[in-house]
Amino acid sequence: KQEVTQIPAALSVPEGENLVLNCSFTDSAIYNLQWFRQDPGKGLTSLLLIQSSQREQTSGRLNASLDKSSGRSTLYIAASQPGDSATYLCASMNYGGSQGNLIFGKGTKLSVKP
Amino acid sequence: NAGVMQNPRHLVRRRGQEARLRCSPMKGHSHVYWYRQLPEEGLKFMVYLQKENIIDESGMPKERFSAEFPKEGPSILRIQQVVRGDSAAYFCASSMGQGAVYEQYFGPGTRLTVT
Repeated sequence: KQEVTQIPAALSVPEGENLVLNCSFTDSAIYNLQWFRQDPGKGLTSLLLIQSSQREQTSGRLNASLDKSSGRSTLYIAASQPGDSATYLCASMNYGGSQGNLIFGKGTKLSVKP
Repeated sequence: NAGVMQNPRHLVRRRGQEARLRCSPMKGHSHVYWYRQLPEEGLKFMVYLQKENIIDESGMPKERFSAEFPKEGPSILRIQQVVRGDSAAYFCASSMGQGAVYEQYFGPGTRLTVT
């Protein structure tokens, strides 16, 4: 059974810093891994989706990497801004089943101080 | 192109009442997923539906919970005889097709409070 863990649970950084959020998973038989952003009281916004055959994806100041062999993914945020403050979730889509079941970590709550 | 819509956004029910949560998928999407986020917990998959079919209900509690996605109209998640432990945010997502290649797009959620 897949377990997705995100460390740290919370992170506070000054504006302008580069930072890395970590996501680990126990079962490497994944189709893909996805990073989301969740603002308080809001839904989820998809940031990056990495297919199992890919090593990384980039969008603007965000870069996500995937290492299936070690069961790890990282989300790199460059030059952080206060507007980046949110909870960041990672989720895997595993082999088997209906391929409709995203398995989420509990998230990392990021606070970027001006 | 409107995104996934959920209503109501907030719902308060007393213990023992029924809760009905509605989800309208994105235009052109025929696959709907429901997830639940309990306080201080991650999102947990509940059920996956296609029009008039339940594809995967492995995450649904065995009692009091049901879901449907009729040929016409929104998908409905129904919770009968709600209890305090049902208080959570319920998120709906939709996709264009079945399979991992199809990205799921999430709605804003319905926050259910049981008093």
